[in-house]
Amino acid sequence: AAGVIQSPRHLIKEKRETATLKCYPIPRHDTVYWYQQGPGQDPQFLISFYEKMQSDKGSIPDRFSAQQFSDYHSELNMSSLELGDSALYFCASSLLSNYNEQFFGPGTRLTVL
Amino acid sequence: QKEVEQDPGPLSVPEGAIVSLNCTYSNSAFQYFMWYRQYSRKGPELLMYTYSSGNKEDGRFTAQVDKSSKYISLFIRDSQPSDSATYLCAMSLGTGNQFYFGTGTSLTVIP
Repeated sequence: AAGVIQSPRHLIKEKRETATLKCYPIPRHDTVYWYQQGPGQDPQFLISFYEKMQSDKGSIPDRFSAQQFSDYHSELNMSSLELGDSALYFCASSLLSNYNEQFFGPGTRLTVL
Repeated sequence: QKEVEQDPGPLSVPEGAIVSLNCTYSNSAFQYFMWYRQYSRKGPELLMYTYSSGNKEDGRFTAQVDKSSKYISLFIRDSQPSDSATYLCAMSLGTGNQFYFGTGTSLTVIP
């Protein structure tokens, strides 16, 4: 079965640079969620989208923005990167009608030097 | 204080043992309770979810929710080495609301 696809899988950036992470949800899933997981930490919810509209917002820094496109894929844009942004970034998708079955992608490991 | 508390372990058990994983929470408004399994360098994988109080069984896994005590459990019967992973509990207030995760419990099943 098709799963959530994230790209790139690994990304290395320097401080103050920008990064764009991409997420392709499971086909027919209409809702996308972004999470940040630091080393040894639990996933922290950043933001979610349903039908291209922001549906919920968590602890997402103002330096980050995200959007969902007409094909339901989503991009997380991160600017003025800081060392503390180094983490695993997960995307998850679901049907809004089955919200509690969120399927996670493999994650993008971002390292900020 | 975090919304969801989970003992990080590590927990080490022999193959075939029954494993009990637990989370406590502070927000009585949580309605949905999920358990995820995360292998190293992989994304969390949904194991089960339950709504409100009660038990739910799926194969070797049983999830229990006790809303009066704000306590949830995941039991794994006949544990296998392939069950070695980090287990995360998660909770939400309802449809459209964010998940709140525990910190995860690291489990090792020894052959």
